[in-house]
Amino acid sequence: AQSVTQLGSHVSVSEGALVLLRCNYSSSVPPYLFWYVQYPNQGLQLLLKYTSAATLVKGINGFEAEFKKSETSFHLTKPSAHMSDAAEYFCAVSDRGNNRLAFGKGNQVVVIP
Amino acid sequence: GAGVSQSPSNKVTEKGKDVELRCDPISGHTALYWYRQRLGQGLEFLIYFQGNSAPDKSGLPSDRFSAERTGESVSTLTIQRTQQEDSAVYLCASSSLWTNTEAFFGQGTRLTVV
Repeated sequence: AQSVTQLGSHVSVSEGALVLLRCNYSSSVPPYLFWYVQYPNQGLQLLLKYTSAATLVKGINGFEAEFKKSETSFHLTKPSAHMSDAAEYFCAVSDRGNNRLAFGKGNQVVVIP
Repeated sequence: GAGVSQSPSNKVTEKGKDVELRCDPISGHTALYWYRQRLGQGLEFLIYFQGNSAPDKSGLPSDRFSAERTGESVSTLTIQRTQQEDSAVYLCASSSLWTNTEAFFGQGTRLTVV
């Protein structure tokens, strides 16, 4: 079964600094990969997804992620953090064989002024 | 409907009572998930329905938890004899048949057991 690892439950970043959230997956076949964001008191919404087209995927609000098969990674980045980026971010993997999503534990991002 | 709908949005119940949480998925979505999110923690998988296949119940924490889904429509999550540790936000999500499509989440039901 596929699984997702997100290290560091809380991530602090200064406003204007690089945001980097790491995601590593375990899957027996090349998976589909997703990043979701949950803003305070809101539901989860899709930030971006990788579905075997370009390995560098651009999402909403200036975020992007790169699929690296050799590293089994799908790290999320944003060049310059904004206060509005304070949220919880979840990486998810969907095995092509069974369509079931598996989520990581999430990263709570705090943006420091 | 336009999105995944969950009801109630908030539920306060006394310890020992049973509760039912409802999820209306997006029309045509064959897959439906239930997750639990405790305060300050990540998403905990509970159960997964896919079409008419047997559900994956591997995430249900105890036999007090059960869920049903009629065809590809509404699902109900039932918690019997609620305990304080059951307090959490219960999230429902649905997705289409294709594995490259994302899951769409409801706003959740916030359950508080007092």
